[in-house]
This record gives sequence, C-alpha cells and structure tokens, in this order.
Amino acid sequence: GQQVMQIPQYQHVQEGEDFTTYCNSSTTLSNIQWYKQRPGGHPVFLIQLVKSGEVKKQKRLTFQFGEAKKNSSLHITATQTTDVGTYFCAGPRSSNTGKLIFGQGTTLQVKP
Amino acid sequence: NAGVTQTPKFRILKIGQSMTLQCAQDMNHNYMYWYRQDPGMGLKLIYYSVGAGITDKGEVPNGYNVSRSTTEDFPLRLELAAPSQTSVYFCASSFSTGQGNYGYTFGSGTRLTVV
Repeated sequence: GQQVMQIPQYQHVQEGEDFTTYCNSSTTLSNIQWYKQRPGGHPVFLIQLVKSGEVKKQKRLTFQFGEAKKNSSLHITATQTTDVGTYFCAGPRSSNTGKLIFGQGTTLQVKP
Repeated sequence: NAGVTQTPKFRILKIGQSMTLQCAQDMNHNYMYWYRQDPGMGLKLIYYSVGAGITDKGEVPNGYNVSRSTTEDFPLRLELAAPSQTSVYFCASSFSTGQGNYGYTFGSGTRLTVV
C-alpha cells in the first residue's frame, strides 16, 4: 500500500548545528505537508508544498519538494532549543485527497 | 476562533468501561479525523468524516465508533476499554475540495490510560 517514510527517526544536534529530515513517498504526491509536534503537544501545521521542485522558507526552516513529487526535505539552519520536537511529513492518499498519510516523524533533540 | 476543542484532556478508565471523547471545531471544516498516537510513534487514523452524516473507517477502527450529526462535532466512542487503547487521541479538522486539501488543525489531545 501507499507509504510515506521519514529518515532519520531521531537526531541529536548541538545548538547552532544544522538539521535535515527527509521524506519519501511510494507514490507521486499532489502536495506534501509538514507538521511540528513539541514534546507533550499536538501537531501543528507548518507548510504545504504543491509544485514540483518547489522551495519555501520560513525563517531558518527551508522546505523542498522533489522534482518527481515523491520526496521532500526540511532543513533547519543553526538549530535552537526552540526547534526541539518531532517533525512529520504527510501526503494525500491516492484514494482520497482529503486523507493524509503521515510519515513516522523525525524527533529532534538540541543540546544547549 | 477556538479551532479544534477536545475534552477531556486526561482520563483513566478501567478495563471494560466505556467513554466518549468529545471534539468540536468552529472553522466550518468539512473533514474531521480521529488519530491515536502511541509513545514515540506516528499518527494512526481511527475514523474520519467528510461531512455531516458521513463517516468511514481508518487504519485502526476496531473498538471505536464515531458519529457526525453536525459539521462542528465529531465524538469518538470507546466501548469496552482495553489496555491496548491506552494512547493519546487527537482530533483534527481540515477543509478539503476535489482538488486537494489544506493543512489539518489538531486539537490539544486526550491522554487516555486504561487500567
């Protein structure tokens, strides 16, 4: 069945280092969404990418959507302790675009 | 706007008890969803609804039931609670058209322990 996979599962970085998480889909996606979940919190929508090769920035966060629309990445420059949390990518199910299939998430720990 | 409101925030149930997790949204979203998240794991879809009166099963529907009598409310019913249902439950909503969907808005979650 359709799958969305993320790597790595966990990442520990020193504050100030960069961080990247990768998302790969088994099928071509019409769009990709990214969410952040702080420890003990709920997922919060960050961004949606729609176009092939699209790159969007939010301050220190850079999101990319692959040319084939099957992969995506989130890059954080100069991490801060406020970046701690789990980052999920999600893409629409082929059978129902209103339903998202979520990756298993990448948990980021930042050492001050 | 309150967004998505979930109640209760915490609950301890005994095995075999039943309960309803409440979820309400005030954004006029057509789609609503129930997810469960086990410790250190991702989100698993329990049930979803594309509009009032229409519901469908997700990946892990066994032991749960839902109803959607209004656009705003989407309660999740647990019948005969089991320890395997210990989890954090998130309700979410979104606006979706035939061309695609917009970002989900999640509630703050219900942390359920079955003992």
